[in-house]
Amino acid sequence: EDQVTQSPEALRLQEGESSSLNCSYTVSGLRGLFWYRQDPGKGPEFLFTLYSAGEEKEKERLKATLTKKESFLHITAPKPEDSATYLCAVRVETSGSRLTFGEGTQLTVNP
Amino acid sequence: NAGVTQTPKFRILKIGQSMTLQCTQDMNHNYMYWYRQDPGMGLKLIYYSVGAGITDKGEVPNGYNVSRSTTEDFPLRLELAAPSQTSVYFCASRRDSSYEQYFGPGTRLTVT
Repeated sequence: EDQVTQSPEALRLQEGESSSLNCSYTVSGLRGLFWYRQDPGKGPEFLFTLYSAGEEKEKERLKATLTKKESFLHITAPKPEDSATYLCAVRVETSGSRLTFGEGTQLTVNP
Repeated sequence: NAGVTQTPKFRILKIGQSMTLQCTQDMNHNYMYWYRQDPGMGLKLIYYSVGAGITDKGEVPNGYNVSRSTTEDFPLRLELAAPSQTSVYFCASRRDSSYEQYFGPGTRLTVT
């Protein structure tokens, strides 16, 4: 069974304190790993797609990386507005157009 | 473009009542999805559609029904509401050429 596990469940940082969120996966035939940001009371907002080990994508203070077993979302010098829940999801070769989501990491950045 | 819109934003149902959650997208996407999200949990796929007239079950379809008569609309029907269906429901869509899904703002449903 395909599994996606995110850690930690919650993370508190001080403004400017860089850190990383983890998304580990146990799947057969990864066809894409997706990162989303979700603000309270809103729908998830797409951030990145990664397809192969070694790939990296960047957007402002966020950088996503991918290995054969996990993905990291690195947050450099975070600001309070980066506070949100970050979700990762995978698409595998047997799932067609469906995604399997992890449970998310709730990030709080204190000023 | 308005993107993906959902109505209503909030709803309280009594056990056994029925309702339809509406989802509309104006991006001409063929693929549409319904998810539920329970507190502290990820998204669970209920149903999805690959185009008008074609729907399929996801991970947690029991207690729900869908139809897709147009490209724009993908309503989700709850026939006999149960407390276990208390959740936040999200609709999403994507274009044929990529797998990134774009989400609506959600409907918060409480069944009491």
